[in-house]
Amino acid sequence: EDKVVQSPLSLVVHEGDTVTLNCSYEVTNFRSLLWYKQEKKAPTFLFMLTSSGIEKKSGRLSSILDKKELFSILNITATQTGDSAIYLCAVGHSNSGYALNFGKGTSLLVTP
Amino acid sequence: IAGITQAPTSQILAAGRRMTLRCTQDMRHNAMYWYRQDLGLGLRLIHYSNTAGTTGKGEVPDGYSVSRANTDDFPLTLASAVPSQTSVYFCASSDGANTEAFFGQGTRLTVV
Repeated sequence: EDKVVQSPLSLVVHEGDTVTLNCSYEVTNFRSLLWYKQEKKAPTFLFMLTSSGIEKKSGRLSSILDKKELFSILNITATQTGDSAIYLCAVGHSNSGYALNFGKGTSLLVTP
Repeated sequence: IAGITQAPTSQILAAGRRMTLRCTQDMRHNAMYWYRQDLGLGLRLIHYSNTAGTTGKGEVPDGYSVSRANTDDFPLTLASAVPSQTSVYFCASSDGANTEAFFGQGTRLTVV
């Protein structure tokens, strides 16, 4: 059975801290791994990873994929209160068309 | 219209009633999806469509049906609503394999 597991499920940090969010997966016919940020409503896209060892970076956020160990991490440095959100990991595979299989998410709260 | 539009934004529905959630995209994406999001369970795929005229079942299809008569529209129908279908429903679209999915703003449905 395909699965995507995120950890931790929730996290509370202080502004300025660095956080690492984890995503492990077991899927057949892996295509890609994506990270999304969800605040109040629709998830918004952060990164898509298809190759091992290549870091994707956008400002204070970065992510990397390990296709041998079947996991990805999302790092956020110098966290701000605006980073408070649910972070979703999703894996693309060929078992349901082009649909993504999501993990349950990590709820991040950044306190002032 | 820009992106994906879902309607209604929210709805309270009596159990046993029929309901269609509407989804329209203007990005000419081939693939479209319906997810439901429940606390503690993350986003789960209900149905998907890789291209106009074709549909497939996702992880939780029971009680739901979809159609894809054209590229832009992908309505989700609940034939006879039950309280366990209370959820937030997200429609999404993408341009195929290894591309990000774009999400609508969601429909909050309460079945009483």
